[in-house]
Amino acid sequence: AQSVTQLGSHVSVSEGALVLLRCNYSSSVPPYLFWYVQYPNQGLQLLLKYTSAATLVKGINGFEAEFKKSETSFHLTKPSAHMSDAAEYFCAVGDSNYQLIWGAGTKLIIKP
Amino acid sequence: DGGITQSPKYLFRKEGQNVTLSCEQNLNHDAMYWYRQDPGQGLRLIYYSQIVNDFQKGDIAEGYSVSREKKESFPLTVTSAQKNPTAFYLCASIADTNTEAFFGQGTRLTVV
Repeated sequence: AQSVTQLGSHVSVSEGALVLLRCNYSSSVPPYLFWYVQYPNQGLQLLLKYTSAATLVKGINGFEAEFKKSETSFHLTKPSAHMSDAAEYFCAVGDSNYQLIWGAGTKLIIKP
Repeated sequence: DGGITQSPKYLFRKEGQNVTLSCEQNLNHDAMYWYRQDPGQGLRLIYYSQIVNDFQKGDIAEGYSVSREKKESFPLTVTSAQKNPTAFYLCASIADTNTEAFFGQGTRLTVV
């Protein structure tokens, strides 16, 4: 069965610092991977997706993620954190049966 | 603009009452989903439907019911059998397997 692990339920960074949110997956087939962002009391919004076209995927709001097959990872990064990036971030993998398998989420805290 | 609309945004229910949450999409997506979100527990799948007049239980279906009479609509009923219904409920849809999910803005249900 496929699974997604997000390391760290909470990550705290200073404004202007690098953001790194970790996601590891297990999949028996080439994965389709997604990162979503959720602001308080709102739905989830797609940040970026990996569909095998390129290993480095650029998304909205300056975020990007790199697919590393050997490490089964799809970590999300942003060079310089902004206060508006404070939110919860979810990683997900498609299971080829109309299902998305979700990670538990990582809450990103930005320190001024 | 296409999207998913959930209503109401906030809902209060007395113990012992059934309540129905609305989810409508105009994206022409075949598959629709209901998730429950509690603090620190990520997304948990309640029910999903891949085609009209068919739906499947998710991981936490007890105390919930759904219908899918139209492609655009996937209402969720929280019954009095649901022991702890206070939560944030999210509806989502996808166009095809391994594609991204689109989310509504959520309904926050509180039992009073």
